[in-house]
Amino acid sequence: GAGVSQSPSNKVTEKGKDVELRCDPISGHTALYWYRQRLGQGLEFLIYFQGNSAPDKSGLPSDRFSAERTGESVSTLTIQRTQQEDSAVYLCASSFVRYRTGPYEQYFGPGTRLTVT
Amino acid sequence: ELKVEQNPLFLSMQEGKNYTIYCNYSTTSDRLYWYRQDPGKSLESLFVLLSNGAVKQEGRLMASLDTKARLSTLHITAAVHDLSATYFCAVHTGTASKLTFGTGTRLQVTL
Repeated sequence: GAGVSQSPSNKVTEKGKDVELRCDPISGHTALYWYRQRLGQGLEFLIYFQGNSAPDKSGLPSDRFSAERTGESVSTLTIQRTQQEDSAVYLCASSFVRYRTGPYEQYFGPGTRLTVT
Repeated sequence: ELKVEQNPLFLSMQEGKNYTIYCNYSTTSDRLYWYRQDPGKSLESLFVLLSNGAVKQEGRLMASLDTKARLSTLHITAAVHDLSATYFCAVHTGTASKLTFGTGTRLQVTL
């Protein structure tokens, strides 16, 4: 079946512009996650959505970052007034969450490589 | 704050040799994941370890979990070039909704 998809695959933007990144999770997956990966580094958690619950925004680095999700489908990550330090690969993942037993393994999309010039 | 440490950060090994990657974490966890990432690619799930003493094997890779020691190992047997990649462990805690990733181990297998 179809995996997690993300668009665009690459985005080059000028400092100060806003960008929107999109994630389509695997159908039926209730949980959706956004991570950031800077060059040569590990993954940094940004935000988590689970069904209709309030999202866990504890990883968002500043108020320039926001994300939305419509039900259990598409999510968009928005970065306002981009800075050069925002340059990274932004990875989206989804998983099937069963109540009280926590998230199962996360399936990752191919990522969006963001370059801020 | 949960911390996840991997070592080594970089490993160069010859084909045919064995080696182990270590993943230590700082708080109690109920499950641990290993992922592989090829250059310029996304993450591929390798193993999910759900309980103390869990051991899983796939081909030349074997992962184990010791929850009392807060340690997971990824053992590579008779390495081949195709195993060259970066390997991440990630830890989930029961009350948290996210995974905390280790820094990654870049594995390079040479002829």
